[in-house]
Amino acid sequence: NAGVMQNPRHLVRRRGQEARLRCSPMKGHSHVYWYRQLPEEGLKFMVYLQKENIIDESGMPKERFSAEFPKEGPSILRIQQVVRGDSAAYFCASSPPATSARAQYFGPGTRLTVL
Amino acid sequence: GIQVEQSPPDLILQEGANSTLRCNFSDSVNNLQWFHQNPWGQLINLFYIPSGTKQNGRLSATTVATERYSLLYISSSQTTDSGVYFCAVERGNDMRFGAGTRLTVKP
Repeated sequence: NAGVMQNPRHLVRRRGQEARLRCSPMKGHSHVYWYRQLPEEGLKFMVYLQKENIIDESGMPKERFSAEFPKEGPSILRIQQVVRGDSAAYFCASSPPATSARAQYFGPGTRLTVL
Repeated sequence: GIQVEQSPPDLILQEGANSTLRCNFSDSVNNLQWFHQNPWGQLINLFYIPSGTKQNGRLSATTVATERYSLLYISSSQTTDSGVYFCAVERGNDMRFGAGTRLTVKP
């Protein structure tokens, strides 16, 4: 059973370009979470999604950031018009469709560098 | 929102030593997890432990939900234990991480 997969592992963009980060959850998991880790800082929650639904996006910056988890395919975190401050490690986690509290399993992360 | 505090922020050990990492949280939670982020940045789920005690090899964890804290024990530490240990708590859909404890194990 493959774990959570993220790609690309490393992404370099110039200021003003778009960044697309992909996350494939573990098999059987229907919940996806995105986190950002800025240099020398801890992990910060960004958004929580189920298939075709955004459940909680309270941690997402109001502009330029969006996330989706379509019925088919991976979850996508999209950052438009990137700026240097977006340089960070972006982690995705997934959890199974249980109604009670559940463990989250993390992917290897995507390291975004904005030049 | 819920506050999560981890202590100590930094810890340096000699190989073979034991250590205890602490996580305090400000409100009742329905989920608590411990993660290890190794020096290469990879995040590993160590324990899913909303209450009680669990053990996995040289690691064990105890959460006392009524007193709002959790402890992670590392025994006979190895250099591969180095990295940052994060505690994360979940209340409803809100998951919060502590700032982490940076552990360095010296040979």
